[in-house]
Amino acid sequence: QKEVEQNSGPLSVPEGAIASLNCTYSDRGSQSFFWYRQYSGKSPELIMFIYSNGDKEDGRFTAQLNKASQYVSLLIRDSQPSDSATYLCAVNLAGAGSYQLTFGKGTKLSVIP
Amino acid sequence: DVKVTQSSRYLVKRTGEKVFLECVQDMDHENMFWYRQDPGLGLRLIYFSYDVKMKEKGDIPEGYSVSREKKERFSLILESASTNQTSMYLCASTVGENEQFFGPGTRLTVL
Repeated sequence: QKEVEQNSGPLSVPEGAIASLNCTYSDRGSQSFFWYRQYSGKSPELIMFIYSNGDKEDGRFTAQLNKASQYVSLLIRDSQPSDSATYLCAVNLAGAGSYQLTFGKGTKLSVIP
Repeated sequence: DVKVTQSSRYLVKRTGEKVFLECVQDMDHENMFWYRQDPGLGLRLIYFSYDVKMKEKGDIPEGYSVSREKKERFSLILESASTNQTSMYLCASTVGENEQFFGPGTRLTVL
């Protein structure tokens, strides 16, 4: 059974701080990793994806992947109140003819002005 | 601009009714997915499709069926709606192992 685990939160950070969101996954063969943001009442939207070990930066967002530890994280620098949302980690097991994503239950982030 | 649309944003049905939820994508994607999302349970895959007339069961297919007669359209069918199928239903599409694009969702209430 493939599993993706996230702390449910809520994670509260002050405006301007760094928010750190973490995700672990059980399937060692997982190849692709995605972070989605979901505002209340809305559908998920992609923020970042990462395939290789290390860091990937896009603006205020940095995704970090450590396949040996089966761990992926999302850092949000200079957090803004508009970043308040639920963040979903998703993992894909590539190479098995499957394009399914397994989602974590999400971490709710609150950025306090 | 990529687009996934769903037939209704809100739907109220009665127990035992047959319910159709429709999803259309304009990106020529091969793969389409139906999820339901419930508080505390996250996103759970109901069914997915790799191609026209192809379907595969996801994690929670019981009580649901699907239809994909055209590449751009993927329908979710509740043969006899029950109150435990009250949920947010999300459709998504993708090419290969890349990003899944989500529709706006349908909030279904079964009374």
